[in-house]
Amino acid sequence: EVQLVESGGGLVQPGSPLKLSCAASGFTFSSNWLNWIRQAPGKGLEWVASINPDGSSTYYPDTVKGRFVVSKDNAKNTGYLQMNNLRSEDTAMYYCARHGGYFDYWGQGVMVTVSS
Amino acid sequence: DIQMTQSPASLSASLEEIVTITCQASQDIGNWLAWYQQKPGKSPQLLIYGATSLADGVPSRFSGSRSGTQYSLKISRLQVEDIGIYYCQQASSAPLTFGSGTKLEIK
Repeated sequence: EVQLVESGGGLVQPGSPLKLSCAASGFTFSSNWLNWIRQAPGKGLEWVASINPDGSSTYYPDTVKGRFVVSKDNAKNTGYLQMNNLRSEDTAMYYCARHGGYFDYWGQGVMVTVSS
Repeated sequence: DIQMTQSPASLSASLEEIVTITCQASQDIGNWLAWYQQKPGKSPQLLIYGATSLADGVPSRFSGSRSGTQYSLKISRLQVEDIGIYYCQQASSAPLTFGSGTKLEIK
């Protein structure tokens, strides 16, 4: 069974860093893209990062480029999202998801709140 | 960036009714379109990919179609378990973008 489990969320002050983790199981993690998508409270979905299977290429929208860094450790079957210089508008539920382009499996999500 | 204009924003329909949700892409995305369902308090679930292909385990009452740059999701006979918010998503080019969502309720 494919499973993705996020962790590392919480309440942080503006300007602070935070690192999210995504533990994967039930599939060949090293052969799959890893993606992060977020959803602000009561709002729609926003793609925030993708990384290719071997970790050599990463992609971001302009809203997070230069602040967020996606990575994956294929030996540990775990993906990461390092978020720096967090802003109030980064407050959201963050989901990791499998696949490239289409997101066929999603984690349960982890909440990140940026507030002073 | 490719904009996905989704309509309607909300929809109330009766059980067994046919429901249609549409997404208009701002430029050609071919068949690079997916539909997701998000039930209250849950993660989104992939319903349709490649504009018309049904994802594993998704009931056959769901179907997707394309006419040019307009894409549609149809639910042939609405069931209680279909309530939630539906999103389209283009996978043609980065940044990957979603429609604004359609909230589906039972009348």
